Amino acid sequence: NAGVTQTPKFRVLKTGQSMTLLCAQDMNHEYMYWYRQDPGMGLRLIHYSVGEGTTAKGEVPDGYNVSRLKKQNFLLGLESAAPSQTSVYFCASSYSNRVEAFFGQGTRLTVV
Amino acid sequence: SQQGEEDPQALSTQEGENATMNCSYKTSINNLQWYRQNSGRGLVHLILIRSNEREKHSGRLRVTLDTSKKSSSLLITASRAADTASYFCATGPYGNNRLAFGKGNQVVVIP
Repeated sequence: NAGVTQTPKFRVLKTGQSMTLLCAQDMNHEYMYWYRQDPGMGLRLIHYSVGEGTTAKGEVPDGYNVSRLKKQNFLLGLESAAPSQTSVYFCASSYSNRVEAFFGQGTRLTVV
Repeated sequence: SQQGEEDPQALSTQEGENATMNCSYKTSINNLQWYRQNSGRGLVHLILIRSNEREKHSGRLRVTLDTSKKSSSLLITASRAADTASYFCATGPYGNNRLAFGKGNQVVVIP
């Protein structure tokens, strides 16, 4: 049982480049979340989804876009990467925000 | 603003002693959850306490929730070196679908 899988695990981008982070879950969860983790800042919610075809903004959505075309996948896009987006990105999924969430192993992104 | 702010931010303790960390939040919640993160890894769920509960136990973990003070505490009894990690509280705000995390506590258990 894979749980929550994030790809890639590491990536280095040049300023202005674009990329997509993929999150896949095999637990039939409705809710999916994208967070970024920076030193001293904890986890900050970027975007989230409460079901296939839905997305909503979190605390820090600027510079990111998301899509949830299939229930099992939640994509996070950076259209024009900036050094301020250097971070570790975590995806999580759950049945709702009233039960435990399951996390992926993270994607370490560096923008130079 | 962030839901959940743990206090203290960093804690060290001797193996066998208890370790306590706190979390405060700002709005009404459905539940509060605690997660652990080992260095370089994803977060792992530890325990969930609902807004109508005051205390919950799971193994060596004890969580309390005081909704009047909008605060929670996580107690690890008889700590072990393997408990060395960062601990985060997360809240499911009432009427909201988010899961909001705090800044986390770094706990070091010295063998």
